[in-house]
Amino acid sequence: LAKTTQPISMDSYEGQEVNITCSHNNIATNDYITWYQQFPSQGPRFIIQGYKTKVTNEVASLFIPADRKSSTLSLPRVSLSDTAVYYCLVGDIRDTGKLIFGQGTTLQVKP
Amino acid sequence: NAGVTQTPKFQVLKTGQSMTLQCAQDMNHEYMSWYRQDPGMGLRLIHYSVGAGITDQGEVPNGYNVSRSTTEDFPLRLLSAAPSQTSVYFCASSQGLEQFFGPGTRLTVL
Repeated sequence: LAKTTQPISMDSYEGQEVNITCSHNNIATNDYITWYQQFPSQGPRFIIQGYKTKVTNEVASLFIPADRKSSTLSLPRVSLSDTAVYYCLVGDIRDTGKLIFGQGTTLQVKP
Repeated sequence: NAGVTQTPKFQVLKTGQSMTLQCAQDMNHEYMSWYRQDPGMGLRLIHYSVGAGITDQGEVPNGYNVSRSTTEDFPLRLLSAAPSQTSVYFCASSQGLEQFFGPGTRLTVL
């Protein structure tokens, strides 16, 4: 499974756009890129997933360059409730049956 | 649907005791996993299953056993609890690419 590297922490202010970049140099051809959000004392929650180019849903956008060796999670106009840990995962659970979590990025949104 | 449920929510054990953490899902998912999360850390995979009767080890399997006799249930057994197993345990299930997580079990081993 491909190893991922993310910043340990980021700070932002309410109303700003936040971009969290994840590096995954060893991504395999069949791998998907998935982002999860985790609040304290809760299990992680799926945010967005993509294979290439750009994916957008009601919560976030995911940008994946052509070489797929990195990806960027974009959170538009963050609020205090977006303070959480964000994990980037690479793989396909249908192939291997498992997904490995990295350290994640702790996002602190300030008023 | 209840999704993924875990029991108990909290548990305190003494060193050397054994116990089983329960996990159940009602979504008919094939894939199930157990993770542990230590304070300030990411999740680490303990064991996983790709279907009833099939289990495999994750990153940190020592001290834990699992079985998958039905699609719905995936219990995690601690054979002889140690203080190093103090952690929050999360169970997850998936059918496609998205994993659904339970609320977690907070375990303290004294």
